[in-house]
Amino acid sequence: GAVVSQHPSWVICKSGTSVKIECRSLDFQATTMFWYRQFPKQSLMLMATSNEGSKATYEQGVEKDKFLINHASLTLSTLTVTSAHPEDSSFYICSAKNWDLGGELFFGEGSRLTVL
Amino acid sequence: AQSVTQPDIHITVSEGASLELRCNYSYGATPYLFWYVQSPGQGLQLLLKYFSGDTLVQGIKGFEAEFKRSQSSFNLRKPSVHWSDAAEYFCAEQGAQKLVFGQGTRLTINP
Repeated sequence: GAVVSQHPSWVICKSGTSVKIECRSLDFQATTMFWYRQFPKQSLMLMATSNEGSKATYEQGVEKDKFLINHASLTLSTLTVTSAHPEDSSFYICSAKNWDLGGELFFGEGSRLTVL
Repeated sequence: AQSVTQPDIHITVSEGASLELRCNYSYGATPYLFWYVQSPGQGLQLLLKYFSGDTLVQGIKGFEAEFKRSQSSFNLRKPSVHWSDAAEYFCAEQGAQKLVFGQGTRLTINP
């Protein structure tokens, strides 16, 4: 099967620091990955579409200078939350599109960020 | 705008009882529809999907869903739930650019 792994699963940081979350496709190449944010007891909200070798496409209302996305290789996309504040605390989930399986999306396990 | 609606925020059923989770979509004459399950603190796992063909699709873990174009619905069913089915369930539709999720339905199982 296709596996997507996120790291770290949990991260706690102080307000004002930056945090990087990694999303890796372990057994397939993913030219397109997606980053979502999920608030408690709510649905997933798409933040941005990450395309290998090009700039990410951000959804309306998402600050691209706040949430930096880099997709430098076919198996890795990173989300960096810059100058994090408590309101950035959330569950962040990535997904990767597997074209070997018809473009089906595979989701990572999620990363919970807590900003103190 | 494209939207996916799950009318039930929370459903409680007894173990062994049947289950139906509702989903309505709004986009496209030929929708691509999905059901995902999310356990607490975890990512999403695909239960089943519909692209075309037979309107009754079978998924993993004994789940099935029926696509009804006339009702713009894609309801998820299971004949007999197990305690391990307790989770959050999301219906989703593939739009032109992105996957749009419903609000989710939290399923609680009574012993």
